[in-house]
Amino acid sequence: AQTVTQSQPEMSVQEAETVTLSCTYDTSESDYYLFWYKQPPSRQMILVIRQEAYKQQNATENRFSVNFQKAAKSFSLKISDSQLGDAAMYFCASDSGGGADGLTFGKGTHLIIQP
Amino acid sequence: NAGVTQTPKFQVLKTGQSMTLQCAQDMNHNSMYWYRQDPGMGLRLIYYSASEGTTDKGEVPNGYNVSRLNKREFSLRLESAAPSQTSVYFCASSDTRREGDEQFFGPGTRLTVL
Repeated sequence: AQTVTQSQPEMSVQEAETVTLSCTYDTSESDYYLFWYKQPPSRQMILVIRQEAYKQQNATENRFSVNFQKAAKSFSLKISDSQLGDAAMYFCASDSGGGADGLTFGKGTHLIIQP
Repeated sequence: NAGVTQTPKFQVLKTGQSMTLQCAQDMNHNSMYWYRQDPGMGLRLIYYSASEGTTDKGEVPNGYNVSRLNKREFSLRLESAAPSQTSVYFCASSDTRREGDEQFFGPGTRLTVL
């Protein structure tokens, strides 16, 4: 069974600053993917970024990047130049490689952007 | 493309009543999922269907049944609703023939059981 842990229930950052959200996971799979999803107040789940465990290079998507430490089973999300629209719940999730049997989610981090 | 659609958006039930949550996707995805989200919790998998004609239990299947009606549709049924099933329910789909493909989520159904 996989587990995903997000130890920061809430984070606050000033607009235009950088913030890092933490995530650790545990899996016995050798091949897997990791995801960060964003859930704004509208409740819609939106993919932010994904990382394949076999790729050593950290994924980046514009202002969003990850720090993937496979040996430590750590997968943190860095948001640069934070914007008001980044305010949301952020969920870390893992799958078992094929993904057909669903994702395992962490409990989420509520990100507040201070203007 | 509408993506993943869910009906209804809101529902209030009394304890013991039954209902079916409907989900449909128009992305030709092979896999579909039902999750529930409770306050302070992430999403937890109820049931999934890896392909048309198959369904499997997830982490929290008790009290639910599912039907993969065809490739597009995947319904979730509560036979005898209980207050513990008060939650927000999300349907999702993905093309798991491509490894690491993202799951696309519907807008959710907020269910209250009194």
